Amino acid sequence: DTGVSQNPRHKITKRGQNVTFRCDPISEHNRLYWYRQTLGQGPEFLTYFQNEAQLEKSRLLSDRFSAERPKGSFSTLEIQRTEQGDSAMYLCASSSGQGKPYGYTFGSGTRLTVV
Amino acid sequence: AQSVTQLGSHVSVSEGALVLLRCNYSSSVPPYLFWYVQYPNQGLQLLLKYTTGATLVKGINGFEAEFKKSETSFHLTKPSAHMSDAAEYFCAVSDLIYNQGGKLIFGQGTELSVKP
Repeated sequence: DTGVSQNPRHKITKRGQNVTFRCDPISEHNRLYWYRQTLGQGPEFLTYFQNEAQLEKSRLLSDRFSAERPKGSFSTLEIQRTEQGDSAMYLCASSSGQGKPYGYTFGSGTRLTVV
Repeated sequence: AQSVTQLGSHVSVSEGALVLLRCNYSSSVPPYLFWYVQYPNQGLQLLLKYTTGATLVKGINGFEAEFKKSETSFHLTKPSAHMSDAAEYFCAVSDLIYNQGGKLIFGQGTELSVKP
């Protein structure tokens, strides 16, 4: 069990640029979640996948955000035309989702800074 | 809708003193409750969770929490604080068993400082 891996750990981008983050979940976990955490706040749910299907999206996920999980393995979160308000820590988590309340396993996050 | 309120954004204790971090929740279904710890620039680590059964839950690093349905609370305690406990703590609620989505709703967090 290598845990949940997120890349890159840090990303600095200029306003208006596109960025993409990657999350590799624990291999046997079929559920994958994305959260956003701004400074001094708790994480906020963005979206989640069960296998390759994106089953829920938060209102926080504007049209500039898109997430994919091809083949139900790793996932990518893309932000187009970044804005300064997008600066945050983006956290990925995975769980087994077998109808039991297994705790999530979180990755270390990708910290995005938009300048 | 579910929600979590953490009372006190900052808590400071002396090393060796009791740690008490407060969490109240709102849920229309029996909740699953979690406490996570976050060190600077790191992800979230699960401390403990309540699902069903025993209402006093023991977690890692000497922490424990008690689910009190009548008070809609899930406060986190540790008898004796250690310097390494200094971190941000998050309480979260989920309706995993009723909603196969299983997203977590987090509180605003409580920053714990430990004085020598």
